[in-house]
Amino acid sequence: GAGVSQSPRYKVAKRGQDVALRCDPISGHVSLFWYQQALGQGPEFLTYFQNEAQLDKSGLPSDRFFAERPEGSVSTLKIQRTQQEDSAVYLCAIGTTNEKLFFGSGTQLSVL
Amino acid sequence: QKEVEQNSGPLSVPEGAIASLNCTYSDRVSQSFFWYRQYSGKSPELIMSIYSNGDKEDGRFTAQLNKASQYVSLLIRDSQPSDSATYLCAVKVNAGKSTFGDGTTLTVKP
Repeated sequence: GAGVSQSPRYKVAKRGQDVALRCDPISGHVSLFWYQQALGQGPEFLTYFQNEAQLDKSGLPSDRFFAERPEGSVSTLKIQRTQQEDSAVYLCAIGTTNEKLFFGSGTQLSVL
Repeated sequence: QKEVEQNSGPLSVPEGAIASLNCTYSDRVSQSFFWYRQYSGKSPELIMSIYSNGDKEDGRFTAQLNKASQYVSLLIRDSQPSDSATYLCAVKVNAGKSTFGDGTTLTVKP
């Protein structure tokens, strides 16, 4: 989406490697969400920020997953010691005041 | 049981027909309901939102909500081949996360 830029678009990692996925929303958006979408499934919530505060990280599947948004704009999702089950599309979205989500193009992560 | 349930499909309708997509949810205190469309290889895009019981129309799309039955539906009138996509139902309880179903794949045949 035009309002959210994600990079890289594709990432191939060897099992055990650490990866960092970036989300760069247009300025002024308070709410930022990360979702994980496996093939053939709907997006699964990972975590949610309001400005720099991480208000909900209940969806992070393990302590290998870590997200930050230190200045309330760009956010990074980090996955340590990647596993094959981490292979998915990682979607970043901005939330509007009426609770709608606008997604970026996503990062497709493949762990070999 | 998933919090948001959709028939996976595929649902196939002829061009010009009405496509009817259904969604049920488990959390009775859910407040906000959304339909997203996702083309293959693309990210979801919002097409409809609905917050109160009844119908909401936007062009060829009508969203219907019945909170007593915990049921949301999306009707697409005069279906076009360009409507062929996966339709995701999403539900919010309050501020914060949206919970998505796994989607219904719609194919509109010319």
